[in-house]
Amino acid sequence: GDSVTQMEGPVTLSEEAFLTINCTYTATGYPSLFWYVQYPGEGLQLLLKATKADDKGSNKGFEATYRKETTSFHLEKGSVQVSDSAVYFCALSDHKAAGNKLTFGGGTRVLVKP
Amino acid sequence: DAGVTQSPTHLIKTRGQQVTLRCSPKSGHDTVSWYQQALGQGPQFIFQYYEEEERQRGNFPDRFSGHQFPNYSSELNVNALLLGDSALYLCASSRISRDAFFGQGTRLTVV
Repeated sequence: GDSVTQMEGPVTLSEEAFLTINCTYTATGYPSLFWYVQYPGEGLQLLLKATKADDKGSNKGFEATYRKETTSFHLEKGSVQVSDSAVYFCALSDHKAAGNKLTFGGGTRVLVKP
Repeated sequence: DAGVTQSPTHLIKTRGQQVTLRCSPKSGHDTVSWYQQALGQGPQFIFQYYEEEERQRGNFPDRFSGHQFPNYSSELNVNALLLGDSALYLCASSRISRDAFFGQGTRLTVV
């Protein structure tokens, strides 16, 4: 079945550092890929998505590129802020939108220190 | 415009009891999905409701059941609670096949 693997945390960074969170997936067909963020005490928020190979999703300074050849969707941000401290989840769906069943990775906790 | 609302926010139940969790979707949304998020893990898909019927189901036992009402709100029922059912239960709503919005979840503790 479908699965998502992402790097384990916690990832601890200083403010303005570069962030990368690795995500790889296994799926049949051509899934859509997503990054969600979960701030303390809150539900999940869609951060960005990509629906086909070579697409780049971006939002709030975060970027991720859908790499079919390496089955990856790594999340990057060039300069993190304390407010980026959260848990980040990589996910896939077998339809272009996340309204259908989502398969999530285990999450990566990011802590940004001032 | 209210987003996805879930109730209650927290509850504690005893093993063997039954529990009902509720979800009101975002205005204009007709599809509701439920997820279980154990501590320190990613959410796991339980099932999805559309037009008052279960449309997709994940790998959860029959103790987990649901319902969708004509106003698109939904309930998740869990019977014969086990300690392992302790988790954050997330509801997500969407228009069919469109991006989903998540609620803040219900934290269930089984003792």
